[in-house]
Amino acid sequence: AAGVIQSPRHLIKEKRETATLKCYPIPRHDTVYWYQQGPGQDPQFLISFYEKMQSDKGSIPDRFSAQQFSDYHSELNMSSLELGDSALYFCASSAATSGAQYFGPGTRLLVL
Amino acid sequence: GEDVEQSLFLSVREGDSSVINCTYTDSSSTYLYWYKQEPGAGLQLLTYIFSNMDMKQDQRLTVLLNKKDKHLSLRIADTQTGDSAIYFCAESIDSSYKLIFGSGTRLLVRP
Repeated sequence: AAGVIQSPRHLIKEKRETATLKCYPIPRHDTVYWYQQGPGQDPQFLISFYEKMQSDKGSIPDRFSAQQFSDYHSELNMSSLELGDSALYFCASSAATSGAQYFGPGTRLLVL
Repeated sequence: GEDVEQSLFLSVREGDSSVINCTYTDSSSTYLYWYKQEPGAGLQLLTYIFSNMDMKQDQRLTVLLNKKDKHLSLRIADTQTGDSAIYFCAESIDSSYKLIFGSGTRLLVRP
């Protein structure tokens, strides 16, 4: 079965640079969620989109923005990167009619 | 407020049953979930239960929900070494389907 696809899988950036993370949800899933997982921590919700509209916002820094496109894929844009942004970034998708949220493999971001 | 708590560590012998416990505080939880995470890997959805259910069984996995005590448990029967991982409990609440995670329970299965 198709799963959530994230790209890139690994990313190395320098401080103050920008990064764009991409997420392709499972086909026919209309909701996308972004989570951040720091080393040894549990995932923290950042932002979500339903039918291309922002549906909820969590502890996402103002330096980050995200959107969902007409084909339902989503991008997380991160600017002025800081060392503390180093983490695993997960995208998850679900269908509005189901409670199941399926996670992608994650993008490991390292900020030097 | 939203808070999910789990014990940090559990060690069992191969072949025994494992029980991982979780407590949550938000009574408006819609769904409760169990995810498995192996080192350096993503989050694998193991099972989830709607908040009006008491129990759900799926092969070796049994989920029990006590809504009165806001307590959720995951029982893994015949635990195998491949079950060694971190298990996260999570809840979603009515106002949003965002997930609130517990801190994770590290399960170690000894041969």
